[in-house]
Amino acid sequence: QVQLVESGGGVVQPGMSLRLSCAASGFTFSDYGMHWVRQAPGKGLEWVAVIRYERNNKYYRDSVKGRFTISRDNSKNTLYLQMNSLRAEDTAVYYCATTDSRFLLEWGQGTLVTVSS
Amino acid sequence: DIQMTQSPSSVSASVGDRVTITCRASQDIAGWLAWYQQKPGKAPKLLIYAASTLQSGVPSRFSGSGSGTHFTLTISSLQPEDFATYYCQQADSFPRTFGQGTKLEIK
Repeated sequence: QVQLVESGGGVVQPGMSLRLSCAASGFTFSDYGMHWVRQAPGKGLEWVAVIRYERNNKYYRDSVKGRFTISRDNSKNTLYLQMNSLRAEDTAVYYCATTDSRFLLEWGQGTLVTVSS
Repeated sequence: DIQMTQSPSSVSASVGDRVTITCRASQDIAGWLAWYQQKPGKAPKLLIYAASTLQSGVPSRFSGSGSGTHFTLTISSLQPEDFATYYCQQADSFPRTFGQGTKLEIK
């Protein structure tokens, strides 16, 4: 069955960097696009970024453009989110999810990122 | 960006009740809409995609309808495991956007 396991979350100070990983198994990773979605404590879902299966197409929400980079290593079945210049408002649980290009099909359990001084 | 607005924000209902949640898009998204269920401390789960297609394994008491800017999620007979928060999401354009969520609580 599909399994997505996020890691790399933690507590960081504002302005610092963090790299999240999402290890995929149970499906042909290279055939699927992948999203990152976040959820601030007690708040709703917020889409962050997507990378298409062929890696060339990437889209970001405006508030993370220029600071976050989504990437993937199909040889390792792993999705990444490099987060630089972190801000307090980036504090959230970050989920990775598979996509059929439109909808978010399967989700990981999430990893918590806390940005605080 | 396309704004997604859900109503109500919360609803109290009893086991066996029929419940309908509405989602409105700020512009025409055709049928590019999904519904997700999220329980406390858990990841969201896809229930319905393309406005009305039930995801594999989702009970048939869940149904979706609508197109353009107006969509609904209906649960025909509430079960104890259905008490959760529900989100709609547009898949027409980037950035993908979600509704603010509807919390379904036990009366």
